[in-house]
Amino acid sequence: NAGVTQTPKFQVLKTGQSMTLQCAQDMNHEYMSWYRQDPGMGLRLIHYSVGAGITDQGEVPNGYNVSRSTTEDFPLRLLSAAPSQTSVYFCASSLTGQPIEKLFFGSGTQLSVL
Amino acid sequence: AQSVAQPEDQVNVAEGNPLTVKCTYSVSGNPYLFWYVQYPNRGLQFLLKYITGDNLVKGSYGFEAEFNKSQTSFHLKKPSALVSDSALYFCAVRGYINTGTASKLTFGTGTRLQVTL
Repeated sequence: NAGVTQTPKFQVLKTGQSMTLQCAQDMNHEYMSWYRQDPGMGLRLIHYSVGAGITDQGEVPNGYNVSRSTTEDFPLRLLSAAPSQTSVYFCASSLTGQPIEKLFFGSGTQLSVL
Repeated sequence: AQSVAQPEDQVNVAEGNPLTVKCTYSVSGNPYLFWYVQYPNRGLQFLLKYITGDNLVKGSYGFEAEFNKSQTSFHLKKPSALVSDSALYFCAVRGYINTGTASKLTFGTGTRLQVTL
């Protein structure tokens, strides 16, 4: 029972590089989301999706893109990495987002941008 | 907009003693409240939720939380702490995004619980 799987676990980028953080869930959840976790700031919502083909912005979307071509996958793209994007990124899913009853989290991706 | 405050960065307690991790919230309408726990190098795990009903909610690993509407609080409690309870605890409140068609959880900044022998 895999749940929510995130890859990679660690990544180091140089400023300006691009990369994609992968997220997959095998629970047939409609709702998927990306959060970033920074010290003293808790978790902040970046983007979310309520189903395949539907995405929308959260609290801190600038510098990130997402797509949802399938129910299972919700990749997060950094087009031009900046040091301010150094953070721990979590993907989370829920059976539905209308409303959320319980979020299931992946184990996170620790990203450093130099 | 909804918000959550966790006033303590860290709580220290001896094993076997009761523990309390504090949380206060602000939200329009009825509050829907959650506690999550994060162990080192892991994602957050759901502990418990309050939607409606009894003010004392029981959750995983012997944890419970007390909802107090007049004080807008949702404190996490456990009668007897274990060293293995040491982790980062997050309180969250449910609200709505943008046009209100999808909900989101707004998290507090987290409280580190340290349980010692």
